Amino acid sequence: EVQLVESGGGLVQPGGSLRLSCAASGFTFSNFWMNWVRQAPGKGLEWVGNINQDGSRKYYGDSVKGRFTISRDNAKNSQYLQMSSLRAEDTAVYYCARDGFASGSLDYWGLGTLVTVSS
Amino acid sequence: QSALTQPASVSGSPGQSITISCTGTSSDVGGYNSVSWYQQHPGKAPKLMIYDVSNRPSGVSNRFSGSKSGNTASLTISGLQAEDEADYYCNSYINTSPPAYVFGSGTKVTVL
Repeated sequence: EVQLVESGGGLVQPGGSLRLSCAASGFTFSNFWMNWVRQAPGKGLEWVGNINQDGSRKYYGDSVKGRFTISRDNAKNSQYLQMSSLRAEDTAVYYCARDGFASGSLDYWGLGTLVTVSS
Repeated sequence: QSALTQPASVSGSPGQSITISCTGTSSDVGGYNSVSWYQQHPGKAPKLMIYDVSNRPSGVSNRFSGSKSGNTASLTISGLQAEDEADYYCNSYINTSPPAYVFGSGTKVTVL
């Protein structure tokens, strides 16, 4: 059974940093693009970014470019989202998701982890 | 990366069919077949319903179908059921440098 489990969320002050993790199981992690998607309270989905199978290609949404970094460790079946210079508008549930078809179609999602940026 | 345009809400009675539109440009929806649709119930993670414009993942009901014409993609739900009441989002690849993806603004489906 495919499982994605996010961790690392919490309360952080504006300007601070936080690192999210996503532990994958039930599939060959190194074969898939992985994504991060977020959802602010009461708002819609926003694509944060993705990373290819070997970590050599990473792409980001405009709102996080230069502040967030995606990485992965295939030996640990995990991907990460390093967030810095956090702003109140980064407050959201952050989801880890697998691209099952190499076309941006996200076939498995984690339950999400809440990040709150507030003083 | 502006959100793709979806109607805020669509409603229908049980058994009816409804269609949700997702309008973009020739740089995203109109130019590529990388359009997907997601269903999200309150407090839950999104679920993939359609990928690559019109393909259904294993386990998704055949009451859900997808299509595209020009810069507009569509999700049709036939034989509407109470359990279909949820938020629906489209997503598309964007041909920018570097490449990216964008979600639609979301549509609330209400079963009357």
